[in-house]
Amino acid sequence: GQQLNQSPQSMFIQEGEDVSMNCTSSSIFNTWLWYKQEPGEGPVLLIALYKAGELTSNGRLTAQFGITRKDSFLNISASIPSDVGIYFCAGVYGNNRLAFGKGNQVVVIP
Amino acid sequence: DSGVTQTPKHLITATGQRVTLRCSPRSGDLSVYWYQQSLDQGLQFLIQYYNGEERAKGNILERFSAQQFPDLHSELNLSSLELGDSALYFCASSPVGSVYNEQFFGPGTRLTVL
Repeated sequence: GQQLNQSPQSMFIQEGEDVSMNCTSSSIFNTWLWYKQEPGEGPVLLIALYKAGELTSNGRLTAQFGITRKDSFLNISASIPSDVGIYFCAGVYGNNRLAFGKGNQVVVIP
Repeated sequence: DSGVTQTPKHLITATGQRVTLRCSPRSGDLSVYWYQQSLDQGLQFLIQYYNGEERAKGNILERFSAQQFPDLHSELNLSSLELGDSALYFCASSPVGSVYNEQFFGPGTRLTVL
């Protein structure tokens, strides 16, 4: 099956700092999605990327769709305590199916 | 709130039993997807339905089955449960005509098999 690798697995950051996370795959995807999951909740869609090279922002979040279509990154600027959660990348393949990375756990230290 | 609802929120049962998880998609969404989330495997796609018909199958065990009803709600049936089936089960739906498959997830059902 499709495998997505997210790094690093967990990050402890100081409030106010920027944080970047990466997602790579050996497969090509036509769409990349970034989700955030908080405890006891389902994943929430943050950003969707549809075109290789595309850079998209949503508030303090910025994500890019890699030129090779095999990777994507997500950046959170000026982190705040409510940014805590698990961030998942997902690639769309086949018949509109999603393959997910294992997630990055972000902890923001006030 | 994504607009996708799932019941029950928690389910505790014993090995060998059968359970049914229920999902109602967002209003107007025809596609429903089921996922299993466990600590070691992460989020795994199980099965997709579109307007009542099975559209795609992922890593779904033969002991599991699903269906989508005319009112578009979906049920995931898990039978002969094993300890390893303990996980979070999510349902997601996507908008009609969504070329880019933006899936919106429900809050999940936490299944514990004892």
